[in-house]
Amino acid sequence: AQSVTQPDIHITVSEGASLELRCNYSYGATPYLFWYVQSPGQGLQLLLKYFSGDTLVQGIKGFEAEFKRSQSSFNLRKPSVHWSDAAEYFCAVRPGAGSYQLTFGKGTKLSVIP
Amino acid sequence: GAVVSQHPSRVICKSGTSVKIECRSLDFQATTMFWYRQFPKQSLMLMATSNEGSKATYEQGVEKDKFLINHASLTLSTLTVTSAHPEDSSFYICSAWGQGGQETQYFGPGTRLLVL
Repeated sequence: AQSVTQPDIHITVSEGASLELRCNYSYGATPYLFWYVQSPGQGLQLLLKYFSGDTLVQGIKGFEAEFKRSQSSFNLRKPSVHWSDAAEYFCAVRPGAGSYQLTFGKGTKLSVIP
Repeated sequence: GAVVSQHPSRVICKSGTSVKIECRSLDFQATTMFWYRQFPKQSLMLMATSNEGSKATYEQGVEKDKFLINHASLTLSTLTVTSAHPEDSSFYICSAWGQGGQETQYFGPGTRLLVL
């Protein structure tokens, strides 16, 4: 069975600082990979996704993620964090084409210090 | 992007009553919708997969008689929590499968259920 690990439960960064949120997955093949953001009391918004091709993926709100097959990782990055980025971030995987069920990590809460 | 709505956004009910939550895809047809449950400070747990015109597929451990799911049209799925109890209090989120080339689930804003 596939699984997703987000090792960091809570991260605090200063506004303007860079950010990296870690995500590791366990799956026999390369799954489809996603990052979602959830603001308090809200649903999830898709930041970016990776299916195949270029391993560096650009998303919305200035986020990017890099797929590293050798490390089974899909870390999310942003060069300069804004106070509005404070939220919960979820990494998710899907087995691939033909399967649409997502498995989520436990999430990383991001706090931003003004 | 595709929009998914949920109604109500928040509901408080007495123990023993039933509560219906609606999930609508506003600008696309969703042959498949998903229902998730999220406990405080936890991740999303898939409860069931709902396919239009057929019975829902429930995940292991989810009581199908307690959480009734109906997907009567390509834009609407409903989740009814029957005989709700305080332990059913949670944040329920639906998502819809959009096949417009995106192969992505679009999530609703969630419904906060509090059972007294």
